[in-house]
Amino acid sequence: EVQLAQSGAVLKEPGESLNISCKASGYTFTDKWIHWVRQMPGKGLEWLGGVYPGDSDTRYNPSLQGHVTISVDKSTSTAYLHWTSLKASDSTIYYCARRNYYDGSGYYWYFDFWGRGTRVTVSS
Amino acid sequence: AIQMTQSPSSLSASVGDTVTLTCRASQDIRNDLGWYQQKPGEAPKLLIFAASSLQSGVPPRFSGSGSGTDFTLTISSLQPEDFATYYCLQDYNYPVTFGPGTKVDIK
Repeated sequence: EVQLAQSGAVLKEPGESLNISCKASGYTFTDKWIHWVRQMPGKGLEWLGGVYPGDSDTRYNPSLQGHVTISVDKSTSTAYLHWTSLKASDSTIYYCARRNYYDGSGYYWYFDFWGRGTRVTVSS
Repeated sequence: AIQMTQSPSSLSASVGDTVTLTCRASQDIRNDLGWYQQKPGEAPKLLIFAASSLQSGVPPRFSGSGSGTDFTLTISSLQPEDFATYYCLQDYNYPVTFGPGTKVDIK
């Protein structure tokens, strides 16, 4: 059974650094992209970026302007979302999701499994 | 970035109703579109991928259609567990973008 287990809720102060994690199980970790999505407070969903664990290839949403970094540890089948300097506006829920594809007349991508979310609160 | 819009932003319906949600892309995305359901306090759940393919385990009362820029999600015979927010997502190119969502609540 595919599972994405996310780290627990955290409370941090502005300017602090943070890693949140997403541990995958039930499939070959290096074969599928892992992406991060956040829940905009009171609003919808925003894609942050993703990583292909096989070669650590990464993609980022340009709107983030380098504010976050995504990495993996293949030895533990874990993906990470990292901030070097948190802002109050980073306070929200973060989800990891596995990106899979359907090989029809071309590749069609989708997020088929999701973690339960990590709540990040940044406050002084 | 490709902009996604959804309409209506919210709707009220009764159990047993059939509802149609609309999603529009700012440019041609072939049929690289998915529909996701999200309930309060839960992660999104994949319903439809490639515009019209039903994800395994999703009830057949959910159906998707469309290609290019205009897409629809139809829920036939609404069930109590279907009251949620529905998002479309284009996966045609990066950055992947979500629509703002349609909230379906009980009339």
